[in-house]
Amino acid sequence: GAVVSQHPSWVICKSGTSVKIECRSLDFQATTMFWYRQFPKQSLMLMATSNEGSKATYEQGVEKDKFLINHASLTLSTLTVTSAHPEDSSFYICSAAGQGAVRTTEAFFGQGTRLTVV
Amino acid sequence: SQQGEEDPQALSIQEGENATMNCSYKTSINNLQWYRQNSGRGLVHLILIRSNEREKHSGRLRVTLDTSKKSSSLLITASRAADTASYFCATRDDKIIFGKGTRLHILP
Repeated sequence: GAVVSQHPSWVICKSGTSVKIECRSLDFQATTMFWYRQFPKQSLMLMATSNEGSKATYEQGVEKDKFLINHASLTLSTLTVTSAHPEDSSFYICSAAGQGAVRTTEAFFGQGTRLTVV
Repeated sequence: SQQGEEDPQALSIQEGENATMNCSYKTSINNLQWYRQNSGRGLVHLILIRSNEREKHSGRLRVTLDTSKKSSSLLITASRAADTASYFCATRDDKIIFGKGTRLHILP
């Protein structure tokens, strides 16, 4: 299957700083990427959907000014957690889909990023 | 947002027994996928079943889909200790929405 690389796999940052997480599709062009957040012992909650070259669509209750998503190229999307606070500590994971493949095929997921804000 | 419920939320069985997990969803779908997640790690894709399919097999896995009831089941036969993990269904249309998951624990 296709490979999606997410970086970093874990990060610890101080409260008030910003953290950027990258999601790269290594062997296909990802026209759509999904960003999820997962708290311990809970499921993955969709935060936003981004399409290459356009603004991300955020799910209800997700602050777009706090979680900045950029999808400037067909192989890279970034999630920036701005002014991070301890309650933002979570497991963040991205998923990528190629053109024409959003609805019909297997989704390819990154390995996830564990963010700890101290 | 989440699509629906998985049940049970947690399941403990003896090694060698079969494990069945169920998933219900709310909206129309193009396909449904099952994933496994070991504690604190990424997702492992297990199997995809399309909306026009009713049953699918892959090794020790058997998935069924009932679109009239908006439900799916995942059966793991002859369970092993390594099957201990959380299992999620995810429905696919414009978005990929996950169910709440089942935490499966295989007892030695």
